[in-house]
Amino acid sequence: DADVTQTPRNRITKTGKRIMLECSQTKGHDRMYWYRQDPGLGLRLIYYSFDVKDINKGEISDGYSVSRQAQAKFSLSLESAIPNQTALYFCATSEGQSRPQHFGDGTRLSIL
Amino acid sequence: GNSVTQMEGPVTLSEEAFLTINCTYTATGYPSLFWYVQYPGEGLQLLLKATKADDKGSNKGFEATYRKETTSFHLEKGSVQVSDSAVYFCALTTKGSGSRLTFGEGTQLTVNP
Repeated sequence: DADVTQTPRNRITKTGKRIMLECSQTKGHDRMYWYRQDPGLGLRLIYYSFDVKDINKGEISDGYSVSRQAQAKFSLSLESAIPNQTALYFCATSEGQSRPQHFGDGTRLSIL
Repeated sequence: GNSVTQMEGPVTLSEEAFLTINCTYTATGYPSLFWYVQYPGEGLQLLLKATKADDKGSNKGFEATYRKETTSFHLEKGSVQVSDSAVYFCALTTKGSGSRLTFGEGTQLTVNP
C-alpha cells in the first residue's frame, strides 16, 4: 500500500462546482502539504499544516481551502471551481525541517 | 525570497550519454537542496539531497554537489539509461520556512535506445 494516498486520481467537473481532494498517509508524519503542478511552472505550494491545529497558507491559496481532520488526513477543497484551477494536484508529508517530502501519486483535475 | 532556476528542457539523449541538468538558486538563509524525479503517471520521488556546502548527494548513479560559491546544485549522470526518462525537479528549503519546498520548473529528460 502507498504511504501517501490521494483520492480521486482523476476528476472532471464543471465550473462552479465544489470539489474535495483527499489525502491520507500512513507515515506518521506531522507535516502535510498541498501543491499544484502546471506545465513549465514546477510545483507551487497551496497550503501546509504542521499538525491538526496549525494550518498555513502557501503562495497560491486563493480559491482553495483545507481541512486537517486528523494527523493522517488532509483535504483540499475548491469551493467554486474555475477552469484555471485545472492542474495536477499533489499531497506530500514530511517529518520535519530539512527532511525530504514524500509525495502521493497526484490527482489530475479538469474543470470545464 | 527563495527561488530555483533549472535549465530549459526538454533534454533528449541517447542511451549511455552523459547527463547534466543545471540548477541554480537564491535563498534567504542557508538552504538544503534536493533533486526529485517524477516518472510518468507518478508522484515525485526524492532522488538525492545535500544539506551543507560541498556535500555531494548521490543515488542510482546520479550525483549533485552543493556549491555555495556559485549557488548551484547541478545534476549529473555518467551514462543514462532509457529507464531514466522522467521529469527532474531541483528544490530547496530553508530554516524557518516550515520545510516548505521551493521548486524549479522541472526538466523533461528523454533517453532513446
